[in-house]
Amino acid sequence: NAGVMQNPRHLVRRRGQEARLRCSPMKGHSHVYWYRQLPEEGLKFMVYLQKENIIDESGMPKERFSAEFPKEGPSILRIQQVVRGDSAAYFCASSPPQGRLAGGSYEQYFGPGTRLTVT
Amino acid sequence: AQSVTQPDIHITVSEGASLELRCNYSYGATPYLFWYVQSPGQGLQLLLKYFSGDTLVQGIKGFEAEFKRSQSSFNLRKPSVHWSDAAEYFCAVGPGGNTPLVFGKGTRLSVIA
Repeated sequence: NAGVMQNPRHLVRRRGQEARLRCSPMKGHSHVYWYRQLPEEGLKFMVYLQKENIIDESGMPKERFSAEFPKEGPSILRIQQVVRGDSAAYFCASSPPQGRLAGGSYEQYFGPGTRLTVT
Repeated sequence: AQSVTQPDIHITVSEGASLELRCNYSYGATPYLFWYVQSPGQGLQLLLKYFSGDTLVQGIKGFEAEFKRSQSSFNLRKPSVHWSDAAEYFCAVGPGGNTPLVFGKGTRLSVIA
């Protein structure tokens, strides 16, 4: 069973360009979380999605950032008109549906991250 | 609001020595607690987790952690550190189920010979 996959692993964008980060959850997982890690900081929650639904986007900046998790295909985190402050590592995590019914795993499995550099 | 404090930004220990990484949390109810490890340039790997029951939990790689409700702490320990344990360690808390986690800022562990 492949783990959470993220691509690209490294992404360089000039200021003003768009960045698209992809996350393929583990097989059977229907919950996806995006976190951002700034240098010397822990991970900060951005957005939580289930298939075709945004459940919680309280951690995502109101402008320029959007996320989706379509019925088919990976989850996408999109950053429009990137600025230098967007440079960070972006991690995706997935978890199985109905945590309590799935043996109470409550565990989020993390991908290797996408390191975005804005020049 | 939930929060996690890892008071030590950087710790250096000698190989073979014991290790304790501190974690304090602020949460209104019984929390679900996690320790993750991140090697340079890598993602996060779960070391151990606490949901309920025995307050001393065993994890992978010889790590253990003890939940102390009275102190709002969930410290990570290892009796004998190996050079390969050098990494960044993150404590996290959540309300359980499929919900986002709140992470501490991490503790960087260096291991010297």
